[in-house]
Amino acid sequence: EAQVTQNPRYLITVTGKKLTVTCSQNMNHEYMSWYRQDPGLGLRQIYYSMNVEVTDKGDVPEGYKVSRKEKRNFPLILESPSPNQTSLYFCASSLTPRTIEQFFGPGTRLTVL
Amino acid sequence: AQRVTQPEKLLSVFKGAPVELKCNYSYSGSPELFWYVQYSRQRLQLLLRHISRESIKGFTADLNKGETSFHLKKPFAQEEDSAMYYCALSTDSWGKLQFGAGTQVVVTP
Repeated sequence: EAQVTQNPRYLITVTGKKLTVTCSQNMNHEYMSWYRQDPGLGLRQIYYSMNVEVTDKGDVPEGYKVSRKEKRNFPLILESPSPNQTSLYFCASSLTPRTIEQFFGPGTRLTVL
Repeated sequence: AQRVTQPEKLLSVFKGAPVELKCNYSYSGSPELFWYVQYSRQRLQLLLRHISRESIKGFTADLNKGETSFHLKKPFAQEEDSAMYYCALSTDSWGKLQFGAGTQVVVTP
């Protein structure tokens, strides 16, 4: 089944403890992106990647890192999480960087205490 | 800077009544606009995009460049339309989507 998967789906952690949220797609998509969803703010783009080894900042990149070593994977790294990064995170992918339909993962709910 | 505004956080309508979700954008060039929907406990998914000019699940949306709007409409709301709806704008070729804050639609019988 063609899909975007994220792990973990739920995570509770403490301030400063490094964590990684994985994202993987099996559709051979070039473009991948991370969003965070907060009440009243909608979805805001954190980082995106147009292809392997090509990443760029979105609207709210502070406190996050990404890497794109393989086409299928696009992990989101929080080196030193803080409570203001408590949010619902979505990974998305599309066939090419040119916006067509973006396919979203199921979301990862992160709580930073 | 480009911006997407969805003025209604919550829309409550009765089954069978018309529903209209407002979306306004600010962008001086030629935008691509989309509506995404998130049903309860499901992934965010594309509902429709303006370039295809299609009707999906009875919903339509017309791009009005003069009013910079892309309102989503359905003449007869159904209970299964209850969901969170996001308007999204793309302004360049790099796949960057700007989302609005979303409108929660609740259809009551």
